Amino acid sequence: GQSLEQPSEVTAVEGAIVQINCTYQTSGFYGLSWYQQHDGGAPTFLSYNALDGLEETGRFSSFLSRSDSYGYLLLQELQMKDSASYFCAVRDGGNAGKSTFGDGTTLTVKP
Amino acid sequence: NAGVTQTPKFRVLKTGQSMTLLCAQDMNHEYMYWYRQDPGMGLRLIHYSVGEGTTAKGEVPDGYNVSRLKKQNFLLGLESAAPSQTSVYFCASNTPSGGAYNEQFFGPGTRLTVL
Repeated sequence: GQSLEQPSEVTAVEGAIVQINCTYQTSGFYGLSWYQQHDGGAPTFLSYNALDGLEETGRFSSFLSRSDSYGYLLLQELQMKDSASYFCAVRDGGNAGKSTFGDGTTLTVKP
Repeated sequence: NAGVTQTPKFRVLKTGQSMTLLCAQDMNHEYMYWYRQDPGMGLRLIHYSVGEGTTAKGEVPDGYNVSRLKKQNFLLGLESAAPSQTSVYFCASNTPSGGAYNEQFFGPGTRLTVL
């Protein structure tokens, strides 16, 4: 079966840096994605890693280690609007592009 | 370009009633997905489709049926609703080509309550 583990909650202050970890056990692996979801909203795509290493997109970076079945999302210069849930997802569906999602990490940014 | 739209946005059903949720996308995407999200949890895949006329079961397909008669539409049906199907339902789409392959585009969701 598929299994993804990420912390349920993280709290940080404005301007700080926070790292959200994700470990996975899946029968197939094509890559790791991260999605952001504000309360009552739809998930929106943040990043995708297929290969080991760090991908940077503005204030957000995502890292993958395939050998450790581990990845993380790094959020820098936190802003109040970053308060949301963050989901890691493993693309395990090959040609179907299917993904299995973790249960999400709720990030609360305090002033 | 509306992206992915879902109809209806909210619905309350009584146990045993049936309904159909409609998902439409205008991005010419081949792949479409139906997920459910329960409070405090991630998205669980119900059914998916890799093209017009084809569907496949996901992680939690029981109690649901789907159809993809047109490329742009993906319908999710509940034949006999149960309280356990109370959830938020999200539709998503993506394409196997180009830079957007690894990104799923989500609709705004349908909030369904079964009494």
